Order: sequence, then C-alpha cells, then structure tokens
Amino acid sequence: EIVLTQSPGTLSLSPGERATLSCRASQTISSNSLAWYQQTPGQAPRLLIYGASSRATGIPDRFSGSGSGTDFTLTISRLEPEDFAVYYCQQRGSSPLYTFGQGTKLEIK
Amino acid sequence: EVQLLESGGGLVQPGGSLGLSCAASGFTFSSYAMSWVRQAPGKGLEWVSGTGTSAGDTQYADSVKGRFTISRDNSKNTLHLQMNSLRAEDTAVYYCAKRGGSGTYAFDIWGQGTMVTVSS
Repeated sequence: EIVLTQSPGTLSLSPGERATLSCRASQTISSNSLAWYQQTPGQAPRLLIYGASSRATGIPDRFSGSGSGTDFTLTISRLEPEDFAVYYCQQRGSSPLYTFGQGTKLEIK
Repeated sequence: EVQLLESGGGLVQPGGSLGLSCAASGFTFSSYAMSWVRQAPGKGLEWVSGTGTSAGDTQYADSVKGRFTISRDNSKNTLHLQMNSLRAEDTAVYYCAKRGGSGTYAFDIWGQGTMVTVSS
C-alpha cells in the first residue's frame, strides 16, 4: 500500500502570502495519478488539481501543482480569505485503489 | 447542472445493515466510474469502494471488504452502497464521487454527503 504523507500538518499564514503544501509518497507514483482537493468545514471536498499539475475546471490560477516521483507540491501564490481550509492529496494505486494523505490545515495567522 | 445527491444515512446498531443511494444528474452516468469515500468525524478522507462503468468491475478497501457491496443502476442513474455487519468505526459522512474522464484519476464531482452513525 502506498502511503501519502502531507506536511506540514498545520500552516499558519496571512492573506496575500504564498502557501506551499507538500505531499510525499512512500514509493514512486505516476504523476497522472496525483490529485489535490480543498475542503472547507461542513462541505464536500473540491477537486483543485489532477494529474499533479492540471487545474480542474473553474479553479483560479493562483493554485498550481508540481512534482514527480515521490514528492509533490501544491502552491497557492497569493492567499485569499476563502483559501483557508484543509487540503488533501490523493493518488490512484492498486490496492487500495485510491489513498488520501492525512491533510494539511491552512489557517489564518 | 452536474449533481450527485446521496440518501439513506441514519442511525444503526452495531451489526446492523444500511443501504445508501446516490442519484446522479447532469452527465452521462453510465460513462463514468464512481466511488464512495467516507470521512469519520474530525478525521480525513478514506476511499471505501469503487465501480467501473460495467457491472462486476468493483473494488473495495480492506476495511469494508466482505461487508459492503457497491452497485450501479445505469438505467436509473443511481449508485448504491449496501453496508452489512456495521461497526462503530464505520461511523462517518459517506460521499458519492464521480471520477473524471478517461485518464483522469481524480474525483471531479462530489455529493453533499450522508451521515451514517453506528451506535447502540
């Protein structure tokens, strides 16, 4: 089973700042299987990035994804108030078919 | 509008059964793989089960294998999850999720979730 480890667990930043979130896989994964989601309290997750670097429909260009192999990054270039949420990475493997990281909480400093 | 709407959640005793449904609209349901993803209170996301576009193409997390059954009715645009032998650790919000198109291994549409509580 491939384990995804996200860091940091909590990130405290101010609006306007740049956020860098990390997702590390326990073994090499295909870039086209790595996705990022945003979840705000009481809401369902929202797809931000798929294929490691492709933005989903309607996602602002301040969100970007990068990485390959075992190390992947979600970057938010200039934080807006609505960006403070929990972020999850996810990969498609074999067994289990999909796994999620434990999440990074992005909070207002 | 592309939409997924779950139903069927509720309170059930340990060892009991519950069936969830997910009604899809706004897209060609039969053309997309679908999954159930759950989130225990205050915890992260856990993939539970998935189905491809055809009957019989099903997958399960080890934690639910042998207890849960996923199925789809393409004629009614509906996804189901039959949950048997429920345990306290199955308590969670259950989301129905649509996988993106061919080559996209991400869930691009999610329902609002339905709460399942397993407790005596």
